[in-house]
Amino acid sequence: GDSVTQMEGPVTLSEEACLTINCTYTATGYPSLFWYVQYPGEGLQLLLKATKADDKGSNKGFEATYRKETTSFHLEKGSVQVSDSAVYFCALRDSNYQLIWGAGTKLIIKP
Amino acid sequence: GAGVSQSPSNKVTEKGKDVELRCDPISGHTALYWYRQSLGQGLEFLIYFQGNSAPDKSGLPSDRFSAERTGGSVSTLTIQRTQQEDSAVYLCASSLRGQGDSPLHFGNGTRLTVT
Repeated sequence: GDSVTQMEGPVTLSEEACLTINCTYTATGYPSLFWYVQYPGEGLQLLLKATKADDKGSNKGFEATYRKETTSFHLEKGSVQVSDSAVYFCALRDSNYQLIWGAGTKLIIKP
Repeated sequence: GAGVSQSPSNKVTEKGKDVELRCDPISGHTALYWYRQSLGQGLEFLIYFQGNSAPDKSGLPSDRFSAERTGGSVSTLTIQRTQQEDSAVYLCASSLRGQGDSPLHFGNGTRLTVT
């Protein structure tokens, strides 16, 4: 069945460092891919999405490119801030209503 | 516009009591999901509603859990005879369509503590 694998956390970086959170997937069809973010004490929010190969989703300085050849959707940001500290979830939706979720990656940014 | 609203935000209950959790989805969203998130864990799917179709209850962990969605809008998740292992954050999400790239919009959750 479909699955999503994220790098394990926590990931700890200093402010202004470069960020990459790896996400790879397996799917039988052509899924839509999502990154969600959960700030402390809050529900999940959509960060960005991509619907087909080579699409790039972007929001709040974060980017992720839908790579079909490597079945990946890695989340990147050039310069992180303390306010980016949160848990990040990669997810896919294939042919039905279910979203398949990664386990989440906790990101800690130190000033 | 208004987002997904969940109530209560926090609930502390004694073991064995019943609890009801409420979710108000975004107006016009036909799809509604309930998830459970234990401390430091990922999302556990519980139940899915789509319009007037029969819900997908495959994620409900036991027959103590039930949910309904009235008039295709508000949903309630009921846990009977609560146990300590039911302690978690219960998240509700709605989606314009339950397919494709239509994203889920989440509420802030209900934190349930069973003592």
